[in-house]
Amino acid sequence: DAGVIQSPRHEVTEMGQEVTLRCKPISGHDYLFWYRQTMMRGLELLIYFNNNVPIDDSGMPEDRFSAKMPNASFSTLKIQPSEPRDSAVYFCASSLFTSSGYTFGSGTRLTVV
Amino acid sequence: DQQVKQNSPSLSVQEGRISILNCDYTNSMFDYFLWYKKYPAEGPTFLISISSIKDKNEDGRFTVFLNKSAKHLSLHIVPSQPGDSAVYFCAATTSGGGADGLTFGKGTHLIIQP
Repeated sequence: DAGVIQSPRHEVTEMGQEVTLRCKPISGHDYLFWYRQTMMRGLELLIYFNNNVPIDDSGMPEDRFSAKMPNASFSTLKIQPSEPRDSAVYFCASSLFTSSGYTFGSGTRLTVV
Repeated sequence: DQQVKQNSPSLSVQEGRISILNCDYTNSMFDYFLWYKKYPAEGPTFLISISSIKDKNEDGRFTVFLNKSAKHLSLHIVPSQPGDSAVYFCAATTSGGGADGLTFGKGTHLIIQP
């Protein structure tokens, strides 16, 4: 398996624009997580899905953020409208609910100017 | 409120010596703990874990110790190697397997000096 695949690797956008981040989890993993990494707050859990259903979105910072998982092999995190404070690295991870932990993607570095 | 705290943003250790990375947690419901390693421009990768029913877990050069009464865990790397230079994240969860989402610390940047 190619692991968790995220796209794009880098995204630079202007304030106010819509941004969509994409994730393909490992096949067979029932859980998918979106994390955000910043210097100030470290790795924060934004939302996670179990069998494509959102379970906990309490970490989503504002209504500008939304996430979907239309099927077991694809998820999106959307920010509309984007703001400079959204600049961070966004990670997607998937898990089979085993003791080996999560598998993370390589992340999307988002810069909002 | 940080439920998982890594109070040392960075740590410098000489090659061949022991590296000790510390982590404290406040949520007494946490029962499963993990360490992740992260290189620049890559996602975190799982390193080692420990359940609250144990106080020690060892995997090669890596050992994690858990002190439940102190709500403290530590990662020992011995001997330290140049390839160990990375950011190490401590993580915890309440479900024993990761279903509730991991809570991460802010990370410790380990620098192994030749």
